[in-house]
Amino acid sequence: AQSVTQPDIHITVSEGASLELRCNYSYGATPYLFWYVQSPGQGLQLLLKYFSGDTLVQGIKGFEAEFKRSQSSFNLRKPSVHWSDAAEYFCAVGAGSSNTGKLIFGQGTTLQVKP
Amino acid sequence: DADVTQTPRNRITKTGKRIMLECSQTKGHDRMYWYRQDPGLGLQLIYYSFDVKDINKGEISDGYSVSRQAQAKFSLSLESAIPNQTALYFCATSDDVGGTQYFGPGTRLTVL
Repeated sequence: AQSVTQPDIHITVSEGASLELRCNYSYGATPYLFWYVQSPGQGLQLLLKYFSGDTLVQGIKGFEAEFKRSQSSFNLRKPSVHWSDAAEYFCAVGAGSSNTGKLIFGQGTTLQVKP
Repeated sequence: DADVTQTPRNRITKTGKRIMLECSQTKGHDRMYWYRQDPGLGLQLIYYSFDVKDINKGEISDGYSVSRQAQAKFSLSLESAIPNQTALYFCATSDDVGGTQYFGPGTRLTVL
């Protein structure tokens, strides 16, 4: 069965520091992978997605993620965090080539940014 | 205007009451989804619909029902609300390519 694990429930970084949020998935075939961000009181916004091709994916707001098949990981990174990046981040896996459209979400990682 | 809208945005109700949450979209997508979000659990899929005549149960459908009135409208009902249904509920839509989902702003439901 598909599953997604985000090992870090809560992360605190200083503004201007680099960020890496971890995501590990379990899926038998090539997955579709997503990162979403949820700001307080808001819905989920898509940051980036991986379907195929280049394993380093660029997204909005300066975020990027790298798909590593050997490690079953899709970690999210940002070189320099801004105070406005404080939010909850969700990694999700889709059903890949079967394209049922269903997504399985991780538990989420809450990012706090210190001034 | 938002592509995916949800009404109401907040609702407080009592145990045993029937509640309907509504979702509308202007994206023209065939696929629509209902999720609930609980702290520390991420999002769990309640129901999903691939078109007006195709409705499927998700991971946690017990205690919920849905209605797809049109391509653009997908409603979630709690027939007899109970306190452990207190949560944040999200509607989402997707197109047929890749499963990218687009979310509404959410409905915060409190069952007393």
